[in-house]
Amino acid sequence: NAGVTQTPKFQVLKTGQSMTLQCAQDMNHEYMSWYRQDPGMGLRLIHYSVGAGITDQGEVPNGYNVSRSTTEDFPLRLLSAAPSQTSVYFCASSRDSSYTFGSGTRLTVV
Amino acid sequence: GENVEQHPSTLSVQEGDSAVIKCTYSDSASNYFPWYKQELGKGPQLIIDIRSNVGEKKDQRIAVTLNKTAKHFSLHITETQPEDSAVYFCAANAGGTSYGKLTFGQGTILTVHP
Repeated sequence: NAGVTQTPKFQVLKTGQSMTLQCAQDMNHEYMSWYRQDPGMGLRLIHYSVGAGITDQGEVPNGYNVSRSTTEDFPLRLLSAAPSQTSVYFCASSRDSSYTFGSGTRLTVV
Repeated sequence: GENVEQHPSTLSVQEGDSAVIKCTYSDSASNYFPWYKQELGKGPQLIIDIRSNVGEKKDQRIAVTLNKTAKHFSLHITETQPEDSAVYFCAANAGGTSYGKLTFGQGTILTVHP
């Protein structure tokens, strides 16, 4: 099993550009989430989904959109990138609170 | 909402010593407390977790203790080895949700010197 797969691994964007971070899991987990990791701040929840067709906001949702059309995929969209969105982004899935994380996407906005 | 505080932010030990990392949480409804290890360039990996119906759980050299009354839990690593060097995160499930919605601590950088 691949677990949780994130693409791309690295990305550089110019301010104002949009892009989608991809996340796919093959464990048939109902719950998926996106976190961003910044130095000294741990992981902060951006958006989460408890199942296909259901999404909700986390702690830091502004500037990001998500959708969950299938159980397997949970893409994160940056609508208009800002330097403050420079971070490492992690996608995770779980069935019973036990999370499996992807390997991350390192995003730099210049 | 849930607030998780983690201490210390950095911890340096000699190989063979024990290491202890402590976390406090604010939401009395939280009932699941995992610990994650993150190595450089990788995503966090679950190393041990504890649910609120037990006070201690062990897995070889690592153990977690939970004090629900005081709202704190700790990670204990015995006989540390250089490969234990990593960033460790504690977390708690906000609102006691069954599906997770974890709130993380700020992380502890553990360095084990040979």
